[in-house]
Amino acid sequence: DAGITQSPRHKVTETGTPVTLRCHQTENHRYMYWYRQDPGHGLRLIHYSYGVKDTDKGEVSDGYSVSRSKTEDFLLTLESATSSQTSVYFCATGGAGSTDTQYFGPGTRLTVL
Amino acid sequence: AQSVTQPDIHITVSEGASLELRCNYSYGATPYLFWYVQSPGQGLQLLLKYFSGDTLVQGIKGFEAEFKRSQSSFNLRKPSVHWSDAAEYFCAVGAGGGADGLTFGKGTHLIIQP
Repeated sequence: DAGITQSPRHKVTETGTPVTLRCHQTENHRYMYWYRQDPGHGLRLIHYSYGVKDTDKGEVSDGYSVSRSKTEDFLLTLESATSSQTSVYFCATGGAGSTDTQYFGPGTRLTVL
Repeated sequence: AQSVTQPDIHITVSEGASLELRCNYSYGATPYLFWYVQSPGQGLQLLLKYFSGDTLVQGIKGFEAEFKRSQSSFNLRKPSVHWSDAAEYFCAVGAGGGADGLTFGKGTHLIIQP
């Protein structure tokens, strides 16, 4: 499996506070992704990156921003957390975009009170 | 845009029985298809994938899946399930040639009865 770590693994925060989730990979994969998983919705793409400083929006990007300053790190920021952003967040990496296998991190469980 | 439908939210199977999980996709061109499994509290693990060639693909843990273009389906099968197969199963489709992510179905929760 690809070496993908996410931090923190669990976080509880309050509405209106900023939150940053980190994804770190050791596989030198070009592509990185952030998904959120909610009951009854499966996984939905938030943002993705196709290289350092190259990012784009996914299906559910409102309220989220991302940054990628190094190949190995992909940050997801909730500028002002809302209760609707309570979810499990997964980072994934891949070598060739949507035509290649994506490898998933262990997830971050975020609760916004 | 592509989409994936997993018609069964929950499936209950007796240990040792055969299993088939259904997946239907919508995509205009040749799809890239995946099955992932998620154990409770864990991330997703790839079971198998189809890109081209033989329409019957073999995966890990004794799983296989068959791509049927005429039915827009990619059903997952296993001849004899084990209690450890209890998990959430996700079918996903990739658009091909793009940098964007996969589109996932909503998942099928597999329960194994002793």
